[in-house]
Amino acid sequence: QKEVEQNSGPLSVPEGAIASLNCTYSDRGSQSFFWYRQYSGKSPELIMSIYSNGDKEDGRFTAQLNKASQYVSLLIRDSQPSDSATYLCAVRKIRSGNTGKLIFGQGTTLQVKP
Amino acid sequence: DAGVTQSPTHLIKTRGQHVTLRCSPISGHKSVSWYQQVLGQGPQFIFQYYEKEERGRGNFPDRFSARQFPNYSSELNVNALLLGDSALYLCASSDDLNTEAFFGQGTRLTVV
Repeated sequence: QKEVEQNSGPLSVPEGAIASLNCTYSDRGSQSFFWYRQYSGKSPELIMSIYSNGDKEDGRFTAQLNKASQYVSLLIRDSQPSDSATYLCAVRKIRSGNTGKLIFGQGTTLQVKP
Repeated sequence: DAGVTQSPTHLIKTRGQHVTLRCSPISGHKSVSWYQQVLGQGPQFIFQYYEKEERGRGNFPDRFSARQFPNYSSELNVNALLLGDSALYLCASSDDLNTEAFFGQGTRLTVV
């Protein structure tokens, strides 16, 4: 079992719709959760971070965290063609004296069709 | 305010050669991490440095090494390059171990 799992997609949604991206993780010691957007040929760009259970909203983006079920999701409202990219879920766990390394899923490709 | 800068942006090397990749973190950030991303996969952790000390190492061979300088910039060195080392190498900067990490534009390494 991979530590962080995402459906590779592609997830195709029409312009203006809500895109829902999901991510599950295996280690209950995970403490911090991040969503990155990566356009083809570019580097990942941080779009959301979430640390506690519940929802966190930022503009058209909402991150949802459920530690009991070990999943994180990202909702994109009013999807635009410019949102077409690969979305990477990343998880971080900190142990005493240990590193704050990020563990990434393989990413979900989102296609927003005009 | 400058973001994370990496150099070079593209590099072509021959098998067996060595390579040095460079990274300058965001001003004020003390932690630099290195990741390798191959096509179709998420980034894989290679190293993390914080306050010039190695704080973590991923599952990479000893051919990979890194260091962080007093100004918090960092170098990643790879010796005896293999074809499989071809990838996008990403540097991430954060102000602490458990805070948000911001990536540079990456170095695209091709080994032929």
